[in-house]
Amino acid sequence: GDSVTQMEGPVTLSEEAFLTINCTYTATGYPSLFWYVQYPGEGLQLLLKATKADDKGSNKGFEATYRKETTSFHLEKGSVQVSDSAVYFCALMEYGNKLVFGAGTILRVKS
Amino acid sequence: GAVVSQHPSWVICKSGTSVKIECRSLDFQATTMFWYRQFPKQSLMLMATSNEGSKATYEQGVEKDKFLINHASLTLSTLTVTSAHPEDSSFYICSATRQGAGSNQPQHFGDGTRLSIL
Repeated sequence: GDSVTQMEGPVTLSEEAFLTINCTYTATGYPSLFWYVQYPGEGLQLLLKATKADDKGSNKGFEATYRKETTSFHLEKGSVQVSDSAVYFCALMEYGNKLVFGAGTILRVKS
Repeated sequence: GAVVSQHPSWVICKSGTSVKIECRSLDFQATTMFWYRQFPKQSLMLMATSNEGSKATYEQGVEKDKFLINHASLTLSTLTVTSAHPEDSSFYICSATRQGAGSNQPQHFGDGTRLSIL
């Protein structure tokens, strides 16, 4: 079945450091790919998405490119802030609007 | 747009009671709503998919008599945890997709309900 694999955390960075959170997927067809962010005690917020190969999703300085050849959708940000500390979930959607989530990656940014 | 409201945000109750959680789409009509359960420091586990006017579709291993789902309108779905016990304590999150938005559209999430059973 479909699955999503994310790099294990926690990821701890200093403010203004470069961020990469790796995400790879397994799917039978051509899924849409998403990154969601969850702040402590809250639900999930959509961060960005890409619906087809080579699409780049971007939002709030974060970006990710849908790479079909490597089945990846890595999340990047050039300069992280303390306020970016949260849990980040990579997810795919293939059939029936049903999401398959990765395990989540905790990001901690220190000032 | 695409705001989903979940209520209550936190509930504590005694073992054996039933608890109802509401999920509302505030500014759009949602044909489909999803209910997830999240254990501490873990990912979201899909419990069921709820379509307006029809019976919910439960994922394997989820007890439909334990977790009652009703989706009576295009803006409201409810999850009732019946005869709750301490092992039912968890963070429950709902999400919704817009009516007529086509396939593979983003799900919009509520802020979650933290359920603690004493």
